[in-house]
Amino acid sequence: DTGVSQDPRHKITKRGQNVTFRCDPISEHNRLYWYRQTLGQGPEFLTYFQNEAQLEKSRLLSDRFSAERPKGSFSTLEIQRTEQGDSAMYLCASSLEGGGTEAFFGQGTRLTVV
Amino acid sequence: KQEVTQIPAALSVPEGENLVLNCSFTDSAIYNLQWFRQDPGKGLTSLLLIQSSQREQTSGRLNASLDKSSGRSTLYIAASQPGDSATYLCAVGIGSEKLVFGKGMKLTVNP
Repeated sequence: DTGVSQDPRHKITKRGQNVTFRCDPISEHNRLYWYRQTLGQGPEFLTYFQNEAQLEKSRLLSDRFSAERPKGSFSTLEIQRTEQGDSAMYLCASSLEGGGTEAFFGQGTRLTVV
Repeated sequence: KQEVTQIPAALSVPEGENLVLNCSFTDSAIYNLQWFRQDPGKGLTSLLLIQSSQREQTSGRLNASLDKSSGRSTLYIAASQPGDSATYLCAVGIGSEKLVFGKGMKLTVNP
């Protein structure tokens, strides 16, 4: 297993367009998390899944954002009608279920909205 | 609301120095604490995980300690090398086991 994989690594889009990112977690991990990181800040939690169920969403996740994890494997994060303020690094992480397990992160998708 | 603070925001040292990076958090109700390394434009690499019941963890030249009662953790880097230059992030696991991060500390080790 090569760890958490994210695609694409970079995305430049025009304001108002829709974008979709993909995350493939470590295969045996049933928890998957999405975070957003802006320049000079630490990552901020967006949402997480346990298997296919989305169990928590941050208030940062406006109605333009939607995340799915069909069949409890890979996950997608879609942003509709992108705005310049959406420009950030979008990070995916996965972990095993259970208190205090280690989270492993992917390389992230860098989104630039022009 | 849990808040994580890392001070200073940046540190520049000559090669070979032993370093102590500090992390503080406001709520002691945590599952664990993780230290990460982030290279420019890259994702996060997990360095050490300390469970809430543990006091410290070691990996190679790295040693992390946790004092839940005082809301503090330190990451000790022995004999720093230029390859250690990166941003170091501290994060605490809370509630649903999501992580709350500090803003990070940018470390530069000069040859």
